[in-house]
Amino acid sequence: GAVVSQHPSWVICKSGTSVKIECRSLDFQATTMFWYRQFPKQSLMLMATSNEGSKATYEQGVEKDKFLINHASLTLSTLTVTSAHPEDSSFYICSAREGGSFTEAFFGQGTRLTVV
Amino acid sequence: AQSVSQHNHHVILSEAASLELGCNYSYGGTVNLFWYVQYPGQHLQLLLKYFSGDPLVKGIKGFEAEFIKSKFSFNLRKPSVQWSDTAEYFCAAMDTGRRALTFGSGTRLQVQP
Repeated sequence: GAVVSQHPSWVICKSGTSVKIECRSLDFQATTMFWYRQFPKQSLMLMATSNEGSKATYEQGVEKDKFLINHASLTLSTLTVTSAHPEDSSFYICSAREGGSFTEAFFGQGTRLTVV
Repeated sequence: AQSVSQHNHHVILSEAASLELGCNYSYGGTVNLFWYVQYPGQHLQLLLKYFSGDPLVKGIKGFEAEFIKSKFSFNLRKPSVQWSDTAEYFCAAMDTGRRALTFGSGTRLQVQP
């Protein structure tokens, strides 16, 4: 299957700083990318959906000013956690889809963010 | 709003036992259904998916799932599990309008040798 790469795999940052997470589709063009958050022993919760070249659509309860999403090209989307706090510590996972509704979404390996 | 329920949170089986993991979804429209597996330390991988047609879907590694529309269910089955099947299993649904996945809470499967 297609490959989606996330970077970094893990990051530790100080409270108040910003962290950028990259999601790349390595061998296909991702028209749509999704960002999920997974708390320990819980399921993945959709944070936002981004389409290349347009603004991301955020789920209810997700602060768009805190979680900045940019999908500037068909192979790259970034999630920036701004002014991070300890409660933002979580596992962030991106997913990318190439085309229409019948295409499979591929997942990145996830990024473990720890805010100290 | 769409939701997905997985009622088995933690399942422990011996090797060669049969497996059935429950998944129910709540959505009135056209829905596509998926099962994903997450092995320890690895990313999510697709086991199988249902879009339309034959409600009995066969996936990788001997897994299959049956879509029962009247019961809003999409249970995952495997006749004989192996130790290597130890992982977290997630059921997910995608409504064809939003195209984003809604995940169930996951089921942790532990297979004892």
